[in-house]
Amino acid sequence: DQQVKQNSPSLSVQEGRISILNCDYTNSMFDYFLWYKKYPAEGPTFLISISSIKDKNEDGRFTVFLNKSAKHLSLHIVPSQPGDSAVYFCAASESGGGADGLTFGKGTHLIIQP
Amino acid sequence: DTGVSQNPRHKITKRGQNVTFRCDPISEHNRLYWYRQTLGQGPEFLTYFQNEAQLEKSRLLSDRFSAERPKGSFSTLEIQRTEQGDSAMYLCASSFSGIEQFFGPGTRLTVL
Repeated sequence: DQQVKQNSPSLSVQEGRISILNCDYTNSMFDYFLWYKKYPAEGPTFLISISSIKDKNEDGRFTVFLNKSAKHLSLHIVPSQPGDSAVYFCAASESGGGADGLTFGKGTHLIIQP
Repeated sequence: DTGVSQNPRHKITKRGQNVTFRCDPISEHNRLYWYRQTLGQGPEFLTYFQNEAQLEKSRLLSDRFSAERPKGSFSTLEIQRTEQGDSAMYLCASSFSGIEQFFGPGTRLTVL
């Protein structure tokens, strides 16, 4: 059973607008959440993370929001740029990412249209 | 380049052959992780080392899979008697804090 779910396989957004990528999780033991971006033929690249004790973390154009009661997080990209077109993975960790590694969702393919 | 490196980038093998992949982590990172990614899925955690100690290996997919990290530096992942279902991207990641993991480019395995 998927513990991290990204229910939108793809998302198309116009350049300059806001991109919102969503992620839901079922395991209440997750205490850290991360977003990764992946281009074809490359490994995932770390974007931004958030601890479960926070509800928001911002880094430049990227902001992650966490709603623990709903077990939901989202990644906002403002403004969206053509280079943001990639697959975005939501990932979660128990115990600070120790022995369990990271649990990933299936990814959302973001397409930025000119 | 001081990122995570993986070799080879691509491997084509025949069913039943053994294959070995290498991962060189970022030099100051003491934690090293292996993942597998199949088409349409996110990376799936396989195993984890802290320095030379393999602290988690129950997620390895079968006893045909094994990993080593001698001297706590580079790591190897071996698959014995490969099967067509082993075809996937094998990713290595390293970390210092254990939270933010930095991935290599992966090794794409094709089993014919």
